[in-house]
Amino acid sequence: GAGVSQTPSNKVTEKGKYVELRCDPISGHTALYWYRQSLGQGPEFLIYFQGTGAADDSGLPNDRFFAVRPEGSVSTLKIQRTERGDSAVYLCASSLGLGNTIYFGEGSWLTVV
Amino acid sequence: SQQGEEDPQALSIQEGENATMNCSYKTSINNLQWYRQNSGRGLVHLILIRSNEREKHSGRLRVTLDTSKKSSSLLITASRAADTASYFCATDDTGKSTFGDGTTLTVKP
Repeated sequence: GAGVSQTPSNKVTEKGKYVELRCDPISGHTALYWYRQSLGQGPEFLIYFQGTGAADDSGLPNDRFFAVRPEGSVSTLKIQRTERGDSAVYLCASSLGLGNTIYFGEGSWLTVV
Repeated sequence: SQQGEEDPQALSIQEGENATMNCSYKTSINNLQWYRQNSGRGLVHLILIRSNEREKHSGRLRVTLDTSKKSSSLLITASRAADTASYFCATDDTGKSTFGDGTTLTVKP
């Protein structure tokens, strides 16, 4: 596609539920990134993939968070047993590879009630 | 923890004036990128400057990088009301980009 696409754009879920957020990167981009942004703060790194493998998952806050990219294109961020503190905008981005310009999607707004 | 820190946190100017935002970081970097974010929207990439570059221009934007001081600045000349947004710097050291908390720029018409 023309840009990074994220779905859903908005998600409201109840505390304790499971959530999946999808990211479709720019075609041909081998690197894919997930960030989380809370109100008034900058994006916080979660994980990035180079191809199918997670090259760096040091930003995942705990084992409730998991991300996959099985075919090296679309990625899914999975959050188990959601908590109110997980409420944030989850941003996905992609690039041609390390050291190249990173392009962001519009984000998925997650609200846990 | 955030690597880049933008300064000032907030900036308010009149249309037509120049706006300067600064970014400081702590460790060595491969490159530094500046982004703009309008309220509630995704980040728009502005400029990427590599560690061996000192200055880059793009339209009304000018970015400088001083690796000895571990700092960068973004200058927006002849500002417009449409430039109102939050501006972030992001430093790339190990393949991931680390962001600061941004500068909120308000341009009054």
